[in-house]
Amino acid sequence: DIQMTQSPSTLSASVGDRVTITCRASQSISSWLAWYQQKPGKAPKLLIYKASSLESGVPSRFSGSGSGTEFTLTISSLQPDDFATYYCQQYNSYSSLTFGGGTKVEIK
Amino acid sequence: EVQLVESGGGLVQPGGSLRLSCAASGFTFSSYWMSWVRQAPGKGLEWVANIKQDGSEKNYVDSVKGRLTISRDNAKNSLYLQMNSLRAEDTAVYYCARAGTMDYFDYWGQGTLVTVSS
Repeated sequence: DIQMTQSPSTLSASVGDRVTITCRASQSISSWLAWYQQKPGKAPKLLIYKASSLESGVPSRFSGSGSGTEFTLTISSLQPDDFATYYCQQYNSYSSLTFGGGTKVEIK
Repeated sequence: EVQLVESGGGLVQPGGSLRLSCAASGFTFSSYWMSWVRQAPGKGLEWVANIKQDGSEKNYVDSVKGRLTISRDNAKNSLYLQMNSLRAEDTAVYYCARAGTMDYFDYWGQGTLVTVSS
């Protein structure tokens, strides 16, 4: 199975900061990577798919990049609504889907 | 509007059984792969199982193979998860999720909590 490792696990930042979260795959997954945002008590929300494609309705301050084994999610200017936990997910193989451990973005 | 509504969660003793349901609306259910994803209290997301549009193919995470069974009824626009031989480590919120054009999840239900405890 493909393991997904996110870093950092927790990130403290201020409104207006540029934030970058990294996700590494244990083997190449091409661009088959998605990013989700989850707030406490809520279901995850899709932000990015195919590593860099922005889901409809998601603000343009969110962007994704990378391919192969290393990927990043960037928030260009952190907004109050962005304090949440973010997960990456690989879908290189539909028979074994895996998520990263999550990155909690906290208020500094 | 796409909606996924889970039901069937609750408290069950170790070794017991439970059946979760997910009612889908707002899209052509029979055209999409569907999945169950779970989240233990305070933990991250874990994909549990998925099922092909016609139910002919099913996949599971290793930790649930032989105990949990995914199924669907396209006539009823419903997804199911039969959970047998439940263990404490199965305690989680279980989400029903639709697979987009590939196997990422573009819509999620609100989740249903399963607690396995004596």
